[in-house]
Amino acid sequence: NAGVTQTPKFQVLKTGQSMTLQCAQDMNHNSMYWYRQDPGMGLRLIYYSASEGTTDKGEVPNGYNVSRLNKREFSLRLESAAPSQTSVYFCASSLGDRSSYEQYFGPGTRLTVT
Amino acid sequence: DAKTTQPPSMDCAEGRAANLPCNHSTISGNEYVYWYRQIHSQGPQYIIHGLKNNETNEMASLIITEDRKSSTLILPHATLRDTAVYYCIVRVDDNQGGKLIFGQGTELSVKP
Repeated sequence: NAGVTQTPKFQVLKTGQSMTLQCAQDMNHNSMYWYRQDPGMGLRLIYYSASEGTTDKGEVPNGYNVSRLNKREFSLRLESAAPSQTSVYFCASSLGDRSSYEQYFGPGTRLTVT
Repeated sequence: DAKTTQPPSMDCAEGRAANLPCNHSTISGNEYVYWYRQIHSQGPQYIIHGLKNNETNEMASLIITEDRKSSTLILPHATLRDTAVYYCIVRVDDNQGGKLIFGQGTELSVKP
């Protein structure tokens, strides 16, 4: 049981390049989330997926797109990377029902855009 | 979701209880209080949550005031491994996937 896995762990992009961050969970969770964390700051929600087939914007969605590929996988795409997107990106999942809103987080992807 | 206020930093001696306060004066009746912590460079870790009653689990205790305008997370015997940023979050009990809004948190330093 790996929990929440993220790939890659580190990435350096040039301005204007695109890339997709991958996230997968093996806990049969319904809900999945993408957050970013800038140095010295708390986490900010980018997008979330309450259930398979749905996605919604969070606090800071501009410059990102997401795909809930299936129940296990939730990817985050940067179409044209900008230096302001340099951050640590965390994926999380939860059962997403009223019995348990505990979120489980992955180890993070450290992205630098030059 | 209601806003929370936490002190930016606190120190605690190893082996003593760490009491982390959180103000949430605009909390509504259907909003839960959640606590997470983040050890340096790792993903956040769930600690505990509650609505009205005090809660305890193997990691910590959560004390919520009767008017629900504030709460305290208690780590009964802090260890060096409890050094982390602790986030207090208030969120609505809805069917919208349980999204959380993180604030700045309290940086707890446990010292030998």
